[in-house]
This record gives sequence, structure tokens and C-alpha cells, in this order.
Amino acid sequence: EIVLTQSPGTLSLSPGERATLSCRASQSVPNRYLAWYQQKPGQAPRLLIYDASNRATGIPDRFSGSGSGTDFTLTISRLEPEDLAVYYCQQYVSSPLTFGGGTKVEIK
Amino acid sequence: EVQLVQSGAEVKKPGESLKISCKGSGYSFTTHWIGWVRQMPGKGLEWMGTIYPGDSDTRYNPSFQGQVTISADKSISAAYLQWDSLKASDTAMYYCAKRVVNKELFDYWGQGTLVTVS
Repeated sequence: EIVLTQSPGTLSLSPGERATLSCRASQSVPNRYLAWYQQKPGQAPRLLIYDASNRATGIPDRFSGSGSGTDFTLTISRLEPEDLAVYYCQQYVSSPLTFGGGTKVEIK
Repeated sequence: EVQLVQSGAEVKKPGESLKISCKGSGYSFTTHWIGWVRQMPGKGLEWMGTIYPGDSDTRYNPSFQGQVTISADKSISAAYLQWDSLKASDTAMYYCAKRVVNKELFDYWGQGTLVTVS
């Protein structure tokens, strides 16, 4: 089973700042089969990024993904108040599918 | 518009059985895998299993195998998650989600069904 470790646990930033979220895998994720989801309070998760760097339909370009192998990053270039959420990474290269523990983004 | 609509919140006692549903619309239900994801109170996301409604081929996370049953009725575009004997530890939000073709990630999610066992 591939274990995904996300850091930091919580990120507190001001609007307009850049947020950098990390997802580290316990083993290599071939084909960059890693996705990022956003879960706002009281809502279902929403797909943001797939294949490590491709934005899903309708996702603003301030969200970007990068990385390969075992280290992946989600960047929010200019934080907006509506970006308050928990962000999860997920690998889909092998079963069982696994999610990271999440990074909570707080807006100061 | 793709939609996944889940059944409403449930309050059950330990030992009782339960079946919750997820109805899809706006896309070809029979040709897209549907997954179930658990979120315990204040915790992260856990993949439980996935079903292909076209032929009911089902894949389980070993952690959930034998604890739940995933099924589907393609005639009414519905997927189900079922427990025979609930435990307090089953208290959680359960999401269904539509899987992307050829990759095991989820592009549309239901609103969630809160199951409380007490």
C-alpha cells in the first residue's frame, strides 16, 4: 500500500499570498498518477488536479500541480478567501487507492 | 449536467442493517465505475471500493472487504453501500463518486450520506 504524507498539517496565510502544499509518497508513483482534491467546510471533495499537473475542468489557473516520483506539490499562486479548505492528494497507480491525511489552508 | 444524488442521513443502532444509495444522472451510468469513500468525523478520506454498474464487477479495499457490500442496479442508475450489522465505529460521512474512464480518480462526487450509529 502506498502511504501518502501531506505537509504541513495546517497553513495559515493572507489573501494574495502563495500557498505551497506537499504530498510525499512512500514509494514511487509511476506515470505521475496523483490527484489533488479540495474539500471546503461542509462540502464534498472536488477534483482540482489529475496526473500531477493537469487542472480539472473549471479549475482556476491559480491552482497548479507539479512533481514526480515520490514528491508532489500543489501551489495556489494567489490565495483568495474562498480557498479556505482542506486539500487532499490521492494516488491511483495501485490498489488500494490511498489519500493523504490532508492540509488545512486557513485564511488570515 | 453530471449529478450524483445520495440518500438522506441515517441514525441507526448497533447491530442494525443499512443500505444507502447513490443515483447518477447526466452521463452514461453503466460505463463509469462508481466508488465509495468514507470520512470519519474530523478525519480524512478513505477509499472503500468501486463498482462497475455495467456488470457489477466490484473491487474492495482490503480494509473494508467483508465489512460492507457494494452493489448496483443499472436499470435505475443506482449504486449502493450496505452493512449487515452496524457498529458505532461505522459512524461517518459516506460519499459516492464517479470514476474517470481508465484512471482511478474521481471527477464528480455525491453530496454525502451521514450515518450515525448510536
